[in-house]
Amino acid sequence: NAGVMQNPRHLVRRRGQEARLRCSPMKGHSHVYWYRQLPEEGLKFMVYLQKENIIDESGMPKERFSAEFPKEGPSILRIQQVVRGDSAAYFCASSQVADHRDTQYFGPGTRLTVL
Amino acid sequence: DQQVKQNSPSLSVQEGRISILNCDYTNSMFDYFLWYKKYPAEGPTFLISISSIKDKNEDGRFTVFLNKSAKHLSLHIVPSQPGDSAVYFCAATQMNTGNQFYFGTGTSLTVIP
Repeated sequence: NAGVMQNPRHLVRRRGQEARLRCSPMKGHSHVYWYRQLPEEGLKFMVYLQKENIIDESGMPKERFSAEFPKEGPSILRIQQVVRGDSAAYFCASSQVADHRDTQYFGPGTRLTVL
Repeated sequence: DQQVKQNSPSLSVQEGRISILNCDYTNSMFDYFLWYKKYPAEGPTFLISISSIKDKNEDGRFTVFLNKSAKHLSLHIVPSQPGDSAVYFCAATQMNTGNQFYFGTGTSLTVIP
């Protein structure tokens, strides 16, 4: 039973380019969460999605960031026109149900570096 | 606005002794707390949790204590083992109002053999 998969593990972009981060949840999980960890900081919640729906995007920056979780395929976190401040580790987590807080399983993260 | 704080960035402990990791929070509405363990280049792994209706939860070598009046929780690891060396994050959430976890900045634990 594969865990949460994220790719790429490392992503390097120049300022102004687009970054696409992918997350495949654990089998049977329909809830996906994205977190960002800036250097020297804890993980910060960005967005919570269920299949085809954004449930809570209160942690998402208002501009340049978007997320989707289509009916088929992985969840995508998209960052347009990246800036240096976007450099961080982006973690995806998935859960089978939404009301048990200890069942969010995390992926290994994507480390985004913006040059 | 850091609602969950871990004021010790690092901790070193001898193998076999007790490790105590501390966490403070500011939001009195938080009612569920978790500890995650993270190795380098991996995602966080859930370790133990506690609901605000309890003040202690134990799982093997790991015990979490919650002091609601002080808005403080701690993780005790007894006895500490070298494999426990990792970064430990505490997290808090409000169970009935969304799905955000608020994470602390982490404490890097080193267990010295």
